[in-house]
Amino acid sequence: SQQGEEDPQALSIQEGENATMNCSYKTSINNLQWYRQNSGRGLVHLILIRSNEREKHSGRLRVTLDTSKKSSSLLITASRAADTASYFCAAYSGAGSYQLTFGKGTKLSVIP
Amino acid sequence: DADVTQTPRNRITKTGKRIMLECSQTKGHDRMYWYRQDPGLGLRLIYYSFDVKDINKGEISDGYSVSRQAQAKFSLSLESAIPNQTALYFCATSQPGAGSGYTFGSGTRLTVV
Repeated sequence: SQQGEEDPQALSIQEGENATMNCSYKTSINNLQWYRQNSGRGLVHLILIRSNEREKHSGRLRVTLDTSKKSSSLLITASRAADTASYFCAAYSGAGSYQLTFGKGTKLSVIP
Repeated sequence: DADVTQTPRNRITKTGKRIMLECSQTKGHDRMYWYRQDPGLGLRLIYYSFDVKDINKGEISDGYSVSRQAQAKFSLSLESAIPNQTALYFCATSQPGAGSGYTFGSGTRLTVV
């Protein structure tokens, strides 16, 4: 069963703007991960945030986690055309689970 | 060379045929996974393995089988392919406690006609 669910399903922005994607999940987590997928390619791990962290940065990426609301957001600042891809959040499906489950993704289009 | 290599990259097969998708890794990771991706459905876990002697079913294992031939090799078989197994298949690896997420292969696009 799906653990994470991204919102919006699709997002189109101009180059240089910021892009924000949200993820809601169902059960308690140890960590939440974000991945990127270029069209038809394998997923690439972007960032992992642990349940005791509220915010994490990596380059132009900023991830927040609110465990009380069971939600996370991924912010890409100063977007580039090369950021065009689908973005997925992923979490383990429940306590003690070893199954990393993925949401359906947000398809981001950055227009040059 | 890629850390996680999947072969073939593309395959068209007929209904009822047996087909094997192969995955090999140079990451030295203990854990390996097979996922399928369908448009609008995201990724779903088929099987996973934590070591050579440990194989576990995932969310959608029916119609599939796997073999962990070595730490670095994990193959997925469709015993009798059917059209609704047409999908993009991904192999992934991870190492417990590494905190670095999964490493994915480039995928195998399988079409069953």
